[in-house]
Amino acid sequence: EVQLVESGGGLVQPGGSLRLSCAASGFTLSSYHMNWVRQAPGKGLEWVSYISFTNDIHYADSVKGRFTVSRDNAKNSLYLEMNSLTAEDTAVYYCAGDRDWAFQIWGQGTMLTVSS
Amino acid sequence: QSALTQPASVSGSPGQSITISCTGTSSDVGSSNRVSWYQQHPGKAPKLMIYEDTQRPSGVSSRFSGSKSGNTASLTISGLQADDEADYHCCSFAWPFSWVFGGGTKVTVL
Repeated sequence: EVQLVESGGGLVQPGGSLRLSCAASGFTLSSYHMNWVRQAPGKGLEWVSYISFTNDIHYADSVKGRFTVSRDNAKNSLYLEMNSLTAEDTAVYYCAGDRDWAFQIWGQGTMLTVSS
Repeated sequence: QSALTQPASVSGSPGQSITISCTGTSSDVGSSNRVSWYQQHPGKAPKLMIYEDTQRPSGVSSRFSGSKSGNTASLTISGLQADDEADYHCCSFAWPFSWVFGGGTKVTVL
């Protein structure tokens, strides 16, 4: 079964840091461009970051300079290092694989809450 | 990059057709064939329904179709069914490089 499983979410204080992970199974992560997409409670989806299978990287303006995306093809995994977190970063974070200019595979999401 | 504009809600009776619009600009929706649509049931991950403006992934019902005119893309659901009740999100690639989503549309089956 083709699957993405995120982990690493939790409760973090404002200004804190956290690392999210996304493990792929049933397919090779390196065959997809990979993204992080988040959804604040009761809100729409927001694209966060992109890493191509050649490691070309892009970020949304809202996280640029604070978040770092990386991938380890040997571990079939994707990561998101998040620093200087604020309440506005509170959301469910999904990893998503894209091909043909669309997010074809999604994980189930991991919740990040930034609060004191 | 500003979010794409979708209606907050659309409703229809079983068997009817509904259309959800998604309006952007010449820098995103109108720039290339890179609009996609996602269905999201409560508490679940989004699911790809349409890609490259009009293409339907394998396994997605032919009742779902996509179209585009200028800076506005549309998703039509024909033969509305109870399980179609969900949130629908449009998304477009935006130059120079980002992805922009709409605010989401809640579809209610009456």
